[in-house]
Amino acid sequence: ETGVTQSPTHLIKTRGQQVTLRCSSQSGHNTVSWYQQALGQGPQFIFQYYREEENGRGNFPPRFSGLQFPNYSSELNVNALELDDSALYLCASSLVGSQETQYFGPGTRLLVL
Amino acid sequence: AQSVTQPDIHITVSEGASLELRCNYSYGATPYLFWYVQSPGQGLQLLLKYFSGDTLVQGIKGFEAEFKRSQSSFNLRKPSVHWSDAAEYFCAVDLTGGGNKLTFGTGTQLKVEL
Repeated sequence: ETGVTQSPTHLIKTRGQQVTLRCSSQSGHNTVSWYQQALGQGPQFIFQYYREEENGRGNFPPRFSGLQFPNYSSELNVNALELDDSALYLCASSLVGSQETQYFGPGTRLLVL
Repeated sequence: AQSVTQPDIHITVSEGASLELRCNYSYGATPYLFWYVQSPGQGLQLLLKYFSGDTLVQGIKGFEAEFKRSQSSFNLRKPSVHWSDAAEYFCAVDLTGGGNKLTFGTGTQLKVEL
């Protein structure tokens, strides 16, 4: 059991809307990473947060933004939704440092119509 | 371009048969290497990882993987597959050293015939 939870499990939005996805990290973990997994693809790294600051970003536009809170929960915000944003969004938590295992949540499936 | 390649999109094996899933990477240096499994409706579960040292690593559920620097490969193996192993398998690499900014391959879907 990973202990990483995400909400909601499923979400339907329309193009142009904004969405907020939430993640609760495993107890004791201070780093959270977000990934986008399109249908039939592997997950793609969006960004990572450590101590409430962005700590690395993948090839995603600024309309993808995030927050990490003092209790290490996290949000992924996506503005101006596009059809291609339809995907499974995964968060993963870990302890910063070398060789720490990253634990993934079950994901939020977002459908943009 | 740096990448992770899983050449087999789908693989079907009979229960009890051996399994090998291929993974190749293209990086100048040796990255940290991982294998994850994803069952329908589930998040990703780490099977095993390689950072350094012994090139044959053991993981959970009876899986093992061998790092071959000369071939830039990190293939996943299991001597006897169980029906419950049916899932999607992802190879991933991390160049940052922390093990938590991963680049994934496109995955291999494993089907197990009874």
